Amino acid sequence: DSGVTQTPKHLITATGQRVTLRCSPRSGDLSVYWYQQSLDQGLQFLIQYYNGEERAKGNILERFSAQQFPDLHSELNLSSLELGDSALYFCASSVGGQWGYNEQFFGPGTRLTVL
Amino acid sequence: ILNVEQSPQSLHVQEGDSTNFTCSFPSSNFYALHWYRWETAKSPEALFVMTLNGDEKKKGRISATLNTKEGYSYLYIKGSQPEDSATYLCAFIGTGNQFYFGTGTSLTVIP
Repeated sequence: DSGVTQTPKHLITATGQRVTLRCSPRSGDLSVYWYQQSLDQGLQFLIQYYNGEERAKGNILERFSAQQFPDLHSELNLSSLELGDSALYFCASSVGGQWGYNEQFFGPGTRLTVL
Repeated sequence: ILNVEQSPQSLHVQEGDSTNFTCSFPSSNFYALHWYRWETAKSPEALFVMTLNGDEKKKGRISATLNTKEGYSYLYIKGSQPEDSATYLCAFIGTGNQFYFGTGTSLTVIP
């Protein structure tokens, strides 16, 4: 158990809908990272937040947005969902925010199925 | 999208054998390289964060080396055990928000 929690574990929804995935980092970690793992694209970095501020952005679609709250939990919002958004979404956390230099601890993931 | 290649794609070894695999990445814009261990139905677990050319890291029977000039990293497992069976992923982190995972090497250790 990494200490990172994600809810919900599974989510099934329809095309065109909007969902919110939630992540709570390990105690003391200030950075949160979001990743998408799909069958055809492998594991992809989406976005990083550090202490409430966006720190780095990867291959995140415009239909997706994220934020980190004062209590350091983070939410990933996915809107206008398409079939291709079906994937496993991981959150990870680290102590520091320095890009790439910190060991990341992964949560168990949220499996999103879009029908 | 950058090419981060891992070889071999899969590997079967006998318990007790030592093994190694490769992660190849672009030698320009290097910032860091991560190695992860990913067991089926679990989430990735960080093994090493490597940042300097010539870096060598070790954790128990697992070690890694880094050559940023030629763009490769090796992961070594000494005396493989069945519990080492997993997919080993590397991730190239480059300047300018580049964070690309390789496709992984799937290791099966046969008792």
